[in-house]
Parts: sequence; structure tokens; C-alpha cells
Amino acid sequence: DTEVTQTPKHLVMGMTNKKSLKCEQHMGHRAMYWYKQKAKKPPELMFVYSYEKLSINESVPSRFSPECPNSSLLNLHLHALQPEDSALYLCASSPSRADGYTFGSGTRLTVV
Amino acid sequence: SQQGEEDPQALSIQEGENATMNCSYKTSINNLQWYRQNSGRGLVHLILIRSNEREKHSGRLRVTLDTSKKSSSLLITASRAADTASYFCATRNNNDMRFGAGTRLTVKP
Repeated sequence: DTEVTQTPKHLVMGMTNKKSLKCEQHMGHRAMYWYKQKAKKPPELMFVYSYEKLSINESVPSRFSPECPNSSLLNLHLHALQPEDSALYLCASSPSRADGYTFGSGTRLTVV
Repeated sequence: SQQGEEDPQALSIQEGENATMNCSYKTSINNLQWYRQNSGRGLVHLILIRSNEREKHSGRLRVTLDTSKKSSSLLITASRAADTASYFCATRNNNDMRFGAGTRLTVKP
């Protein structure tokens, strides 16, 4: 298995909803990442997990809450989002933080 | 925040021609990577070049790195319509990987 799987592929949520994005990989990668990408912009780093520990939080608002239950899974819990949070959310993993990343196909999030 | 800056922002060529994209960055790096993204999808890792390397090849791709000028170039030879995509450079320092603004490549059949 050489893929990073993200679910759901599309999500529409209201500003008062609570939802979660899920990311899974079975390549034995020990680093996992969340990126946010707005249309026609590059991906922006949100969070980095290394060996299941949060190592970087790029000043992301607390309405985004990451979780790494085990070495294969990464979640992003969403609560009280704003319409400007609508974007493509990308998960990636790498064997270590020095290697190239494998990206999932993303979750297209729309906040209404 | 972004690290690399790519130029051109957009490039349109005919099938069979070569495409060259450039990337400049500001701080010291451990490695530089190039990724491709088809519209609205995830990124695909193309090639990684370490800071002590000057040139690397992978199939029709050729990447160069000039750390003295803090710049890199990606050359795609004999382009195909399927190469149409956005191409991003990403620089890695001791912290983590940051993406440049990207070049939108269109290859016309």
C-alpha cells in the first residue's frame, strides 16, 4: 500500500457543526502533516506530527484540532468554522521529516 | 508562509517542446523538492535534490540546484498534454517544508 487515504472527499458543514477529517497511511511513515490550500494558492502547513507527537502547530486557530491516535491515523477535528475556512485540506506523510512527502487527494471543505 | 518563489507564474507550450520552471528561495535548505498537482487534487512528489547535489534526473525531468544563488530549475523535456498541471517547488530546512507559489503549465496538443 503506497497511498495516503483521506475521507471524506467532500464535506459541506454549517458554522455550528462539528466534523472530522480522517487521514490514513500504511506505509510505516512516522511523520504526518496537515496542509490547507486555497484556490490558486500553494499549500500552507498547519500541523506536523512526528512519531505521533505534535511537533509543529503553525499558529492555527483552535477551531482546528489535530489528533494522531496511532502511527497510521491522523484526524483533524473541526468546530465552529468560518466561511473563509473553506479550502482543500491535504494530508501527507513521509518516512521521516527529511524525506519526500506522499499526499492524499484531499478533502474539499465548504463552510456555509 | 511561503519560502520559494516560482517563475513564470504561468507557461503555455506546444506538445513536444521543453518546459523550464524556476524556483528561488530565501533561507538555507536541507533539500528542495518538486511536486505536481492536477486541478483540485493532491500533490504528487516528482523529485528531491539535496543541498549538496547540483543536478538530478528522473525520466523526462531534470532538476538543477544552485545553492549560491538560492535557486532551482525544473526542466520537462518532450512535453505531453498530460503534463498540464501546476508545479510547485518546496524547500526544506531544519523545521519543515514550505511551498512556493507554483507555475501553471499548459501543454497544448
